[in-house]
Amino acid sequence: IAGITQAPTSQILAAGRRMTLRCTQDMRHNAMYWYRQDLGLGLRLIHYSNTAGTTGKGEVPDGYSVSRANTDDFPLTLASAVPSQTSVYFCASSYSGAKGNEQFFGPGTRLTVL
Amino acid sequence: DQQVKQNSPSLSVQEGRISILNCDYTNSMFDYFLWYKKYPAEGPTFLISISSIKDKNEDGRFTVFLNKSAKHLSLHIVPSQPGDSAVYFCAAMTSGTYKYIFGTGTRLKVLA
Repeated sequence: IAGITQAPTSQILAAGRRMTLRCTQDMRHNAMYWYRQDLGLGLRLIHYSNTAGTTGKGEVPDGYSVSRANTDDFPLTLASAVPSQTSVYFCASSYSGAKGNEQFFGPGTRLTVL
Repeated sequence: DQQVKQNSPSLSVQEGRISILNCDYTNSMFDYFLWYKKYPAEGPTFLISISSIKDKNEDGRFTVFLNKSAKHLSLHIVPSQPGDSAVYFCAAMTSGTYKYIFGTGTRLKVLA
C-alpha cells in the first residue's frame, strides 16, 4: 500500500453500538489526526497524535477515543454511537504537526448512526 | 466560535479567468496557513501553504497571499481550469500545537 488507508469505506450502525474506524499509513509519519466533515461545518479535528504513544484532544473529542500503539495505526473508537455522530470521517497524517506540515488524507469513512 | 472562516460557500468562474478564494481568521497566534482541495468522495489534498513570516507564496498556477494585519488570506488560481472545480478548504495552525483548524470550504465551479 502507499499512503493512507481507512476501513470500512462506509458503515450503517445502530445507536448504542460500539464501532472502531481503522486508519493505517505507510509513510512513517509521526503525526496522525482524525477529522469529521459535516455539511456547513467543514472539517473538525476530533483527536490527534504527535507520535506513537501520545494522543491529544481536538475541537470535538466527546464520544470518541483513540490510541496510537505504533507509528502506522491510529484507530478511532465510538464507544456507544449516537445519531449526531453520523458524518464522514477522515484520517490524516503528516511528517510532523509542529510547523504547518502538509497533511495527507485518507479516502474517508461514511458513517450513519440510526 | 469559528476561528477560520470562509464566507463564500460557492464561486463560479469562467475557464481561463482568475479564481480568488478568501479566508479570514480570528486567532492571532496562527502562524501557518494551508489550502486543500477536495473532490467528491475523496479525501482533501494539499495545495499550497504559507507561514506568517511571508506575505506571498507561489506554486505554478496557485498563489496564496497573507495579510496579517487584516487576518486574511486568499488563494488565487490563474488561469482557472475545469479540473479545478472542487471544494477548497483553508486551514490554520499555531506551531507546536498540532491542531489544524479548517474553514467551512468554498465550492469552486470553473465553467468551460
